[in-house]
Amino acid sequence: SQTIHQWPATLVQPVGSPLSLECTVEGTSNPNLYWYRQAAGRGLQLLFYSVGIGQISSEVPQNLSASRPQDRQFILSSKKLLLSDSGFYLCAWMGPLTGELFFGEGSRLTVL
Amino acid sequence: DAKTTQPPSMDCAEGRAANLPCNHSTISGNEYVYWYRQIHSQGPQYIIHGLKNNETNEMASLIITEDRKSSTLILPHATLRDTAVYYCIVRATNTGNQFYFGTGTSLTVIP
Repeated sequence: SQTIHQWPATLVQPVGSPLSLECTVEGTSNPNLYWYRQAAGRGLQLLFYSVGIGQISSEVPQNLSASRPQDRQFILSSKKLLLSDSGFYLCAWMGPLTGELFFGEGSRLTVL
Repeated sequence: DAKTTQPPSMDCAEGRAANLPCNHSTISGNEYVYWYRQIHSQGPQYIIHGLKNNETNEMASLIITEDRKSSTLILPHATLRDTAVYYCIVRATNTGNQFYFGTGTSLTVIP
């Protein structure tokens, strides 16, 4: 069966520090992968999606970037965090049959 | 951007049916209607989806109007564990595979 994992689960970082959130999927190949962010009390905002290795589409211009170095690995990064980067970050992959999204456990980032 | 409109919040008595509406007046012919829910501090969970026919599964029923401009998610016997934010999303299968979530409806099931 397919599984998706994100880490770290919780992160507290100072403004201006770098960020790396990692997501891996098991049990499937060549999945479409997604990064979403949810600010406190808000809906989910699509940040990046990827349809294959090295293929990244950005939805919102910001100081975040994404990379897909391997088929089942999706990384969200920043060189210098802003206060506004605080939020709940969710990685997801798309099931091939019904097109539904399967989400990871989420990574809660607090920038101080 | 989300192409759906949902009420921000609703209450429902435990054991009663919860009917969550969604407007998608600009839906295209090839766009499906998906419903997800998000329990606090967790990732969203898929509930159901449909194109134009009504759909039912073990979790819920989806009623889509004939003109497809609106739909209703029905939880037939709401329990306290159904308290969550419910998202209605329209998505075509040929647009690069994006899911755009709006702000959803916060459903509170009252004992």
